[in-house]
Amino acid sequence: GEDVEQSLFLSVREGDSSVINCTYTDSSSTYLYWYKQEPGAGLQLLTYIFSNMDMKQDQRLTVLLNKKDKHLSLRIADTQTGDSAIYFCAESIRSSASKIIFGSGTRLSIRP
Amino acid sequence: AAGVIQSPRHLIKEKRETATLKCYPIPRHDTVYWYQQGPGQDPQFLISFYEKMQSDKGSIPDRFSAQQFSDYHSELNMSSLELGDSALYFCASSRGGTGSLKTQYFGPGTRLLVL
Repeated sequence: GEDVEQSLFLSVREGDSSVINCTYTDSSSTYLYWYKQEPGAGLQLLTYIFSNMDMKQDQRLTVLLNKKDKHLSLRIADTQTGDSAIYFCAESIRSSASKIIFGSGTRLSIRP
Repeated sequence: AAGVIQSPRHLIKEKRETATLKCYPIPRHDTVYWYQQGPGQDPQFLISFYEKMQSDKGSIPDRFSAQQFSDYHSELNMSSLELGDSALYFCASSRGGTGSLKTQYFGPGTRLLVL
């Protein structure tokens, strides 16, 4: 079945690294995404990784994919207060060409 | 860079009324998707269109309908509104048809409140 799971909350100190984890069940995932949603705002595509890759780095963001364990992570280096948001892990799968399946979102809060 | 535009940004309706949400995709994007995000929930896929034809259907209620026009903008029509329809409605767009290779870019959403 199609299921994407994330922990609901993460709290880190400003300047530390944040690691947000996600697991998914559908082995036919083709693209995996990380979206950021600030309070009252829309979904901002942060980064995505193709399922045949195991790592992608983009400035402060590092995505790691373990396809065998169906585990995806997003690491944010040098976390800043502006990184406070809900981070959604999402996947697109072969059986449905259109839809993206979202996880429940992880709320990241930053401590001074 | 131009983004997906949605209007209105906020809408208040009463039960049993109708609502129409509009979405204008990124220029040269030919595919639009609609998602519904209830309070504290993750976005759920409703429906998508490619080249003015419906391409995929998700958990869209029968009271809702949508279409894509020749200029690629899309409208989501919602009738007999219920309290449970209160949500944030996102439109996303991509280029070149549906398919998992086509990254979806989301608009800011329309927040619908049904009283």
